[in-house]
Amino acid sequence: DIQMTQSPSSLSASVGDRVTITCRSSQSINTYLNWYQQRPGKVPKVLIYAASNLQSGVPSRFSGSGSGTDFTLTISNLQPEDFATYYCQQSYSTPLTFGGGAKVEIK
Amino acid sequence: QVQLVESGGGVVQPGESLRLSCAASGLTFSSSAMHWVRQAPGKGLEWVAFIRYDGNDKSYVDSVKGRFTISRDNSKNTLFLQMDSLRPEDTAMYYCARSLTAYTEIDYWGQGTQVTVSS
Repeated sequence: DIQMTQSPSSLSASVGDRVTITCRSSQSINTYLNWYQQRPGKVPKVLIYAASNLQSGVPSRFSGSGSGTDFTLTISNLQPEDFATYYCQQSYSTPLTFGGGAKVEIK
Repeated sequence: QVQLVESGGGVVQPGESLRLSCAASGLTFSSSAMHWVRQAPGKGLEWVAFIRYDGNDKSYVDSVKGRFTISRDNSKNTLFLQMDSLRPEDTAMYYCARSLTAYTEIDYWGQGTQVTVSS
């Protein structure tokens, strides 16, 4: 099974900051990497698919990059509604696996 | 609009069974790959099971293999998860979710149904 490791697991940031979350897979997954946002009490929603493609309707301050085993999610100009937990997920092979999550909190 | 509505959750004792259902609307269910994803209280997301659009390919996380069975009825736009021999560690919110294929992003999620396994 492919293991997904996210870092950091939590971070504190201020509105307007630039935030970077990393995700590493235990083996190469090409660009079969997706990012999800989950706000407290809400259902997850996809932000980035196939490593770097912005899902329709998602603000352009979100971006993704990477391939192989190392990936990043960047949020530029952090907004109040961006305080949430972010998960990466590999869709390269089943069993599909999620990272442990990265909680972005208000500083 | 797309709706995925789960039902069938509840409180059961260890060793008992539950059958979850997910009614889909607003999408072409018969050409959609479907998943169950769970989230234990205060924990992260855990993918549980996948079924191909035609039901001919299924996959499970190791911890539920042999106990859970995913199935679908395309004539009724409904996804199922039969959960047997339930354990306390199965306690979670269970989400029904959709992707185009097994290898693409999950683009729609239901609101979830709570399963609690406790004596």
